[in-house]
Amino acid sequence: AQSVTQLGSHVSVSEGALVLLRCNYSSSVPPYLFWYVQYPNQGLQLLLKYTSAATLVKGINGFEAEFKKSETSFHLTKPSAHMSDAAEYFCAVRAGGTSYGKLTFGQGTILTVHP
Amino acid sequence: KAGVTQTPRYLIKTRGQQVTLSCSPISGHRSVSWYQQTPGQGLQFLFEYFSETQRNKGNFPGRFSGRQFSNSRSEMNVSTLELGDSALYLCASSSTGTANYEQYFGPGTRLTVT
Repeated sequence: AQSVTQLGSHVSVSEGALVLLRCNYSSSVPPYLFWYVQYPNQGLQLLLKYTSAATLVKGINGFEAEFKKSETSFHLTKPSAHMSDAAEYFCAVRAGGTSYGKLTFGQGTILTVHP
Repeated sequence: KAGVTQTPRYLIKTRGQQVTLSCSPISGHRSVSWYQQTPGQGLQFLFEYFSETQRNKGNFPGRFSGRQFSNSRSEMNVSTLELGDSALYLCASSSTGTANYEQYFGPGTRLTVT
């Protein structure tokens, strides 16, 4: 079975500061990992994905994440926060095999950006 | 390409009623998944349909059901609504052409049960 743990339900940073959102996963098979962002009253938007091609993954809006198998982690970072980054972020895992369209999500991290 | 669309966007129902939500996937996508999002339980997988067949199912009671049509559009139905069914219901579609099955989400249907 797969599971995802996001450390910190709320993260607050100043504009221009580093953003670090933590995600640890548990999977019995090599996982596919994703980060999504959700703005108020909207659906989820895919930020980036890990599919075993490269351990450092670059996504949209300046975000990137590094897959570390030894630490079972897939933390999301952005060098310089912008006010528009304020949203809720979700880490998700999909096991291989027949799980196809089933994602298991973490509980989410709300990012607040202060001017 | 147009994104995933969901109708209606907002819905208010009374306990005991039933409701049907609709989802139109991105053109060419044959897989449709449904999720329930609540403040307490977060995002939970309901089921996935591919080529009109349910391929995966989450841990929800039988009151929750779905179907997919030949044009890949999908509906989900909740019968005998309970207050706890109040949630944002999200639909996601994915292309079977990519092994990672990245999912693209619609804006959701906000269901309120009174």
